Amino acid sequence: DVKVTQSSRYLVKRTGEKVFLECVQDMDHENMFWYRQDPGLGLRLIYFSYDVKMKEKGDIPEGYSVSREKKERFSLILESASTNQTSMYLCASSWPGGGRGTGELFFGEGSRLTVL
Amino acid sequence: SQQGEEDPQALSIQEGENATMNCSYKTSINNLQWYRQNSGRGLVHLILIRSNEREKHSGRLRVTLDTSKKSSSLLITASRAADTASYFCATRFTSGTYKYIFGTGTRLKVLA
Repeated sequence: DVKVTQSSRYLVKRTGEKVFLECVQDMDHENMFWYRQDPGLGLRLIYFSYDVKMKEKGDIPEGYSVSREKKERFSLILESASTNQTSMYLCASSWPGGGRGTGELFFGEGSRLTVL
Repeated sequence: SQQGEEDPQALSIQEGENATMNCSYKTSINNLQWYRQNSGRGLVHLILIRSNEREKHSGRLRVTLDTSKKSSSLLITASRAADTASYFCATRFTSGTYKYIFGTGTRLKVLA
């Protein structure tokens, strides 16, 4: 089975702290994604990566950066955490679709971040 | 925003009844997928329907797609208490990007 592992299920940080959220997948997927989920707003795409060292902005990239140095690992970085970044963060991975798989997303269990 | 929207936002039914959720989106798609999320957990893929398909079945799930109306529906037949969860549609656009855009979700509660 595909496994997507997020490093922390719950984090509490202070305003201004630098925060790293780590995500590792074990299926050699090319694509990896970071979403945030807020009540009433559903899932919103922050960044995604379609290859090592490649990244594209999603719908809400402001205040976030990402790093993909190895294929299996995709990190989300909050350079200076703010209270409005309190949220559930979900990592996902997939094959690109077409000849390789259906393109379905495999999600981690989520990281609930609280910024005080 | 390109975000899709599900309707209704919340649905409460009795065990054994059918549950229908709808999803609307804004631009041309490559495929549309439905996901389920139990409270506080990650999302799990349920079913995918391609833009050239109109209907698809998987167990108690039936998905329809109307590209002319830019809408899809998910039907869960003979609902069980264990079906209680949030359900999301996700669309992959035809613009060549790998992005998936999720709707706002339908919270389904199945009463035993």
